[in-house]
Amino acid sequence: DQQVKQNSPSLSVQEGRISILNCDYTNSMFDYFLWYKKYPAEGPTFLISISSIKDKNEDGRFTVFLNKSAKHLSLHIVPSQPGDSAVYFCAESFGGGYQKVTFGTGTKLQVIP
Amino acid sequence: DAGITQSPRHKVTETGTPVTLRCHQTENHRYMYWYRQDPGHGLRLIHYSYGVKDTDKGEVSDGYSVSRSKTEDFLLTLESATSSQTSVYFCAIYPGGNTGELFFGEGSRLTVL
Repeated sequence: DQQVKQNSPSLSVQEGRISILNCDYTNSMFDYFLWYKKYPAEGPTFLISISSIKDKNEDGRFTVFLNKSAKHLSLHIVPSQPGDSAVYFCAESFGGGYQKVTFGTGTKLQVIP
Repeated sequence: DAGITQSPRHKVTETGTPVTLRCHQTENHRYMYWYRQDPGHGLRLIHYSYGVKDTDKGEVSDGYSVSRSKTEDFLLTLESATSSQTSVYFCAIYPGGNTGELFFGEGSRLTVL
């Protein structure tokens, strides 16, 4: 059973507009949620994270919102740029020595110039 | 650059043959992981290692074995490859910290005919 769900496999957005990527989770016992970005033929790269005790984290054009009551996570990209076109994975992590990181299925974002 | 090298980057093999993928890191991190990426499934953990000769199973470990005889190398072996193991394989390291951020290699694309 998928613990981290990204229900939208793809999203198209006009350049300059806002991109909103969503993620739902079932297990409330996590330490952090993370977003990774993946370009074709490359490995995923870390984008932004949010602690379980926060409800918002911002880094430049990227903001992640955490709604614990709804078990919902979203990534906002404003303004969207063509270079943002990639697959985005949300992931939850559990702390301790070994980091158990569980990924969602990914959302492919296309930013149209 | 997290200093992770995967080899081979591309491989085509036939059903029933053994295959070994290698992950090499240059920074002596304790934790190393093997994930596979498949459409509709995102990234799924195959095996992980928490030190030399210390390994454990992930969520999709059937048909795979791993070995870690040196800190810098983590090998993934398919004893008898099947078509269902056609995938892109990513190695990752966890350098420490609270967020659970993993650093990924560039991937190894395996095709089993």
